[in-house]
Amino acid sequence: GQQLNQSPQSMFIQEGEDVSMNCTSSSIFNTWLWYKQDPGEGPVLLIALYKAGELTSNGRLTAQFGITRKDSFLNISASIPSDVGIYFCAGEVLAGKLIFGQGTTLQVKP
Amino acid sequence: SAVISQKPSRDICQRGTSLTIQCQVDSQVTMMFWYRQQPGQSLTLIATANQGSEATYESGFVIDKFPISRPNLTFSTLTVSNMSPEDSSIYLCSVLTGRTGELFFGEGSRLTVL
Repeated sequence: GQQLNQSPQSMFIQEGEDVSMNCTSSSIFNTWLWYKQDPGEGPVLLIALYKAGELTSNGRLTAQFGITRKDSFLNISASIPSDVGIYFCAGEVLAGKLIFGQGTTLQVKP
Repeated sequence: SAVISQKPSRDICQRGTSLTIQCQVDSQVTMMFWYRQQPGQSLTLIATANQGSEATYESGFVIDKFPISRPNLTFSTLTVSNMSPEDSSIYLCSVLTGRTGELFFGEGSRLTVL
């Protein structure tokens, strides 16, 4: 079946540092999404990407939809303690059906 | 966006029992989706619930184990039947709003089966 390979699995960084994580797949997706999940909460949508090559920002977050439509990355600039959480990439298979990556756990040291 | 409320938020259940999770949305939506997140894992779609028709289940999930109701355009329930410890997971309700692919999730229902 379709799978997304997300890396790194976890990161422990100093406050103020930039962060980068990525997802790759053997399958093509028409939509890539990035979510963040805090403990005890459902995932919250950060950025949605709809076009190959698209680069989209949301505050300190920047995400790109790879040209091949098989990969995406998420960058977080100048990290702060509230960036702590699990970040998931997801590719849309059908309306409402997403394939999720394994997640990147981010810890930020003040 | 949408406001999605799930009940219960968490529960501890005994093996062999069944539990029904409720999902209420603050607006009418055509499709509602139920996802499962096993401990330390990613999310997997269980089924799609459409109002007025049978739910559509993904491979590996069956109606006898996860019966779903969708009585109207703002409400759905997922039942986890005859639970075993392997069913200990977070169960999440979600809806599509706006553009394609933009799924919004409830806070989830964390079930622990002893």
